Amino acid sequence: KAGVTQTPRYLIKTRGQQVTLSCSPISGHRSVSWYQQTPGQGLQFLFEYFSETQRNKGNFPGRFSGRQFSNSRSEMNVSTLELGDSALYLCASSLATVAGVFYEQYFGPGTRLTVT
Amino acid sequence: AQSVSQHNHHVILSEAASLELGCNYSYGGTVNLFWYVQYPGQHLQLLLKYFSGDPLVKGIKGFEAEFIKSKFSFNLRKPSVQWSDTAEYFCAVNAVGSGNTGKLIFGQGTTLQVKP
Repeated sequence: KAGVTQTPRYLIKTRGQQVTLSCSPISGHRSVSWYQQTPGQGLQFLFEYFSETQRNKGNFPGRFSGRQFSNSRSEMNVSTLELGDSALYLCASSLATVAGVFYEQYFGPGTRLTVT
Repeated sequence: AQSVSQHNHHVILSEAASLELGCNYSYGGTVNLFWYVQYPGQHLQLLLKYFSGDPLVKGIKGFEAEFIKSKFSFNLRKPSVQWSDTAEYFCAVNAVGSGNTGKLIFGQGTTLQVKP
């Protein structure tokens, strides 16, 4: 099976702009979670989507949003970019169920976002 | 708030030495536990997982971890490390319960350097 894929791999944006990142989960996985990885804060949970619904959200401002499509592909959007949004954004997919049973997450390579 | 603590930030070992990386979490309920590894230039890979049952779990590449519930710990071990084990290791916890769907809490990571 193909792994989790993320596009683009690298992005450079300017403060105030917005950005959209894409994630394609492993075939058959309906749950997609997003994480932000920075040297200072480590890996932090952004949100999780299942069957096009956001089921959980981390402690990030409303500028961070996401969505999931019927084929389980997911996008996350960051509006009004700030310098502090520079990070590696990771997407993970899993077989998590509608009842919320947790399964191991498989991570993609990430999108490296640099805000200047 | 739930948190995960990895005691060692940077570990340097010689080949054939034994490895133990500490991981403690703060959550009084049921947990699912994971160790992930990130080799240089590669994405996060699942090393091993614990959901229930035998508290001693074996993973890939000769790694194992032991869940000690009374100590809220999930330490990673390997009897004899190789140069190829040089990587960053992350302990992660899913705290079972509402509000934690699809969410992993990560430790800060431990950088392991193995000298040939």
